[in-house]
Order: sequence, then C-alpha cells, then structure tokens
Amino acid sequence: QSALTQPRSVSGSPGQSVTISCTGTSSDVGGYNYVSWYQQHPGKAPKLMIYDVSKRPSGVPDRFSGSKSGNTASLTISGLQAEDEADYYCCSYAGSYSLVFGGGTKLTVL
Amino acid sequence: EVQLVESGGGLVQPGGSLRLSCAASGFTFSSYWMHWVRQAPGKGLVWVSRINSDGISTSHADSVKGRFTISRDNAKNTLYLQMNSLRAEDTAVYYCARGVGATPSVWGQGTMVTVSS
Repeated sequence: QSALTQPRSVSGSPGQSVTISCTGTSSDVGGYNYVSWYQQHPGKAPKLMIYDVSKRPSGVPDRFSGSKSGNTASLTISGLQAEDEADYYCCSYAGSYSLVFGGGTKLTVL
Repeated sequence: EVQLVESGGGLVQPGGSLRLSCAASGFTFSSYWMHWVRQAPGKGLVWVSRINSDGISTSHADSVKGRFTISRDNAKNTLYLQMNSLRAEDTAVYYCARGVGATPSVWGQGTMVTVSS
C-alpha cells in the first residue's frame, strides 16, 4: 500500500488554470475508476471535491474537474480563486476493500 | 444536516489502548459504509479502516492490522475504532468519514491521539 505520487506544490495566478497529477499503479489508479480528490484548508477536515474520477458532489463548483489516463489521475482547477489555496489529496481504491491516498499537494494562489 | 462527531482521543503511553467513537446524525447511519482516516501532525492523509453498512465486513491498513479494530453499533448510530498496542507513529488526528461507495465523502472534525511517554 504505497502512497500515490503527487507533486509537493503547484501555483497559479487568479483566473488561471492549474492541474495536479496523481500517479499510482495498475493495482490502484489504473485498475479502478474510483479516484477521489479532497481539499483541505489548514486546521480543517478534508472536503470531497471529486469522486469516481470525474464526478462532482453537489455544491462543488464546476471549476473543479477530474480525469484519468492509465495510472495517472488529474485534478484541474480553472478560473483559480484565492479561496482555492489549500492542500489537495488524491485517493484511490486499491482492491480488497482498501484505499490509498496521495502525499498531498499544496496549491498556492499567487 | 449530516454530522459526524469524533471523541475519545487523548494522550496514551506506548503499548496502551484507546477507543475512539464517532457519533453520526442527520442520515440513516445503517445504510452507509464508514471509514477511519488519520493524519499525523504536518503530514498527509492515511486510510486506516473501513466497515460495511451492517458491520459484517471490515478491512484495515497493513500498518494497523492486528492492532486496530473497526466496529459499529447501528442502534446507537456510532462508529468505533479500538486501538491496541499503540506506537508513537500512531500519533495523529483521526477522522471518521461516511462512505459513498468505497469513497470517504462526509468527514468529521477529527480527534487527536498522542502516543507518548
């Protein structure tokens, strides 16, 4: 159960788009369409932003989108806003009813 | 409103035990899978355990297998995590989360567990 690989940090200016990658293996990301993404502000609980690769829960802005190609999933945030500055984590089903998270990416809005 | 409130955290010595609780409200608790996820200070999220809706099927991360046990009482709308043989590396905020399928969706605010002598 090795953690999924995410970039440690990404940044963008307001209005721009940023993409955060999440790389796993054929035993997790590549093997199932159960990738989710979480946003976490300092001192707060994580919030689900994307599930099942590309589905958005009710209330999540459509500026947030998810995709997957092979063993790599991606979260794209378009029209970047100041409040998007947070840590982002990917998560994948890894078989045998287990889950694995990525190491997290710190998004800075310049 | 869906609410999950964790409790039971605190300071415990290495080798000790602790039982965490997660009180659920605002939804039909017995219909959902539940998860525990932890986060060490300044570190990332780590999945710990999962239980299905009737409590029959459970799974745990390798790092806690044999030491932690997830369970639930659907009559009390409460999720539990029994933690034995605690180690310093178990120090973390522990979150409970409601599942949508296999995915943790709604999260509680967490309870801090510190393992130290």
